[in-house]
Amino acid sequence: GQQVMQIPQYQHVQEGEDFTTYCNSSTTLSNIQWYKQRPGGHPVFLIQLVKSGEVKKQKRLTFQFGEAKKNSSLHITATQTTDVGTYFCAGPHSGAGSYQLTFGKGTKLSVIP
Amino acid sequence: GEEVAQTPKHLVRGEGQKAKLYCAPIKGHSYVFWYQQVLKNEFKFLISFQNENVFDETGMPKERFSAKCLPNSPCSLEIQATKLEDSAVYFCASSQIGMNTEAFFGQGTRLTVV
Repeated sequence: GQQVMQIPQYQHVQEGEDFTTYCNSSTTLSNIQWYKQRPGGHPVFLIQLVKSGEVKKQKRLTFQFGEAKKNSSLHITATQTTDVGTYFCAGPHSGAGSYQLTFGKGTKLSVIP
Repeated sequence: GEEVAQTPKHLVRGEGQKAKLYCAPIKGHSYVFWYQQVLKNEFKFLISFQNENVFDETGMPKERFSAKCLPNSPCSLEIQATKLEDSAVYFCASSQIGMNTEAFFGQGTRLTVV
């Protein structure tokens, strides 16, 4: 079945430093979604990328979708303590009776003030 | 409503007891997904529905887990004869048009089996 791999598993940064998490799928994706989960909270949708090579920005966050639509990245510039949480990528998987959103294992970001 | 409502927030069950979790999706959303999140933060897909029809149940341990989404009722996830390893946070999510669009997650139900 489809696998979505995400690295690193953990990242500790000093406030003001940049942060990047990477996502790789074993299969080509029709789209990729990114979610943020604060400690003790629930996943909250950040963005969806659909086109090959797409780049989208949300303030200090930059999202990229690879040309082959199998990998993606999220980059945060000048991290703040409010960025703390776990960032998940997710890709739709369908086929052989399966229809689900497959999540990566997430990257847990800690920001040291 | 504009948010996915999950109840209860916390549930404690003795091993072997039954547990039932509820989820009211956002009005107008046709798809409902159930995920299990264990301590490592991994999301394990359990089941999805399109309206009241099961869409994908490939993640469900069918011998003890069952789920329904009936018209005019909250969706439910039931675990018969709970085991210690069922301890997790169970998230329900709904979306308008399936997995190719934003999924809205509920606050989750934390199940502790003792």
